[in-house]
Order: sequence, then C-alpha cells, then structure tokens
Amino acid sequence: QVQLQQRGAGLLRPSETLSLTCDVSGGPFNNYYWTWIRQAPGKGLEWIGEINYREATHYNPSLNSRVTISVDTSKNQFSLKLNSLTAADTAVYYCARRSMTYDMDVWDNGTTVTVSS
Amino acid sequence: DIQMTQSPSSLSASVGDRVTITCRASDGISGWVAWYQQKVNGAPRSLIYHSTTLQSGVPSRFSGSGFGTDFTLTISSLQPEDFATYYCQQYQSYPFTFGPGTKVEIK
Repeated sequence: QVQLQQRGAGLLRPSETLSLTCDVSGGPFNNYYWTWIRQAPGKGLEWIGEINYREATHYNPSLNSRVTISVDTSKNQFSLKLNSLTAADTAVYYCARRSMTYDMDVWDNGTTVTVSS
Repeated sequence: DIQMTQSPSSLSASVGDRVTITCRASDGISGWVAWYQQKVNGAPRSLIYHSTTLQSGVPSRFSGSGFGTDFTLTISSLQPEDFATYYCQQYQSYPFTFGPGTKVEIK
C-alpha cells in the first residue's frame, strides 16, 4: 500500500524559504503526478502544484513566481520550495498522489507550517 | 481559473437522514469532479471521482451525480462516522480548484 511521509521545517520567519520533501513508499512512483496542497487555519484546500517523474510541472498561478516543485526518482521523493514567505503562507501542507483517475487518492497526514517573526 | 462554489456551507442532520450537497462550477467541466471528506485534524479522503464513481472502499451510501456545471454528493443514510467537511474539486483545467467546503454537523 502506497504511503507518503513528509518532512521539513515547521516554523519559519517572514521572507524565508519553505522546504518540504515527501517520500513515497510501498508502490510505484512513475506514471503518477505528485501534488502539493495546503490548508490555511480554518480555511479550505488550495492546490499548489504537481510534478511527474519526467519533471513535468503545473503550478497554481497565484503562487507561480514563488514556488518550485522538484522530483528525485532515484529516491522516490518529491519536494516543494516556497520562497518569500509571509504570514499568509501559514497552513497545513499536504503531499498527495494524483491517481490515474485524476483525483488525489493517497495523502500524507500533513505538516503544519507557521510563518512568524 | 474555474471557481467552485458549494451549498450549503454547513448543515445539521441526524443519523439516518438523507443529505445532499451541491457544487457548482463557474464554467462547464464535463464530469471532471471529485469529492473529498475531511474529518477534524485529518487529511482529506477521496470519495468520488469523475462525478459518479466511488473510490475503492467507500460505502455505497455515498453517491455522486452531475455534469457540466452542477454536481451533487448524496449520503443516503447518514452514519456517525460521516460527520465531516466535504469538498468538491475540479480537474478540468489548471489550476485545479476546490469548493469552499460543506460542514456536516450532528443535529
């Protein structure tokens, strides 16, 4: 059974760069898109972007200039970098697998990221 | 971007009730809609994709319908474990977008 395990810093200061990595285990890595989604406190879900094993990416234009998603197929992992952080980036960040039926069918438990001076 | 709206934003219902949640897209999206359930402090869980198809392991009391701009999620007989927030999501075009959520609470 596919599992996702996320790691990265949870407390950052304004203007710093968020860096998160999601490790994929228990299933195939290729042939899927790997996705980042976030949820601000008390708010809904926001799609950040996705990448596949060929490094094809799609980003949310609302974050496009600040976000980079990368992949390391040798380690079955993908990563998120979000720069120029502000308090508005405080959220739970999820990594997820976009299935072949296009929904996100596997999620990690999420990581709380707080941006505060 | 395609905007997704949901109604109601919240509802109170009793165990055994039939519950219907509506999702509307700002533009036609064929049947490219998924529905997710999120419990408090938990990650979302995919319930339905392609508007009507249940994900593996999802109870048959959940069903989805709709095409174009209007979609519904129905729970035929609400169970205690169904109290949660439900989100629709479109994947017709980038950026993928979610509805604001519908919170289903215990009456």
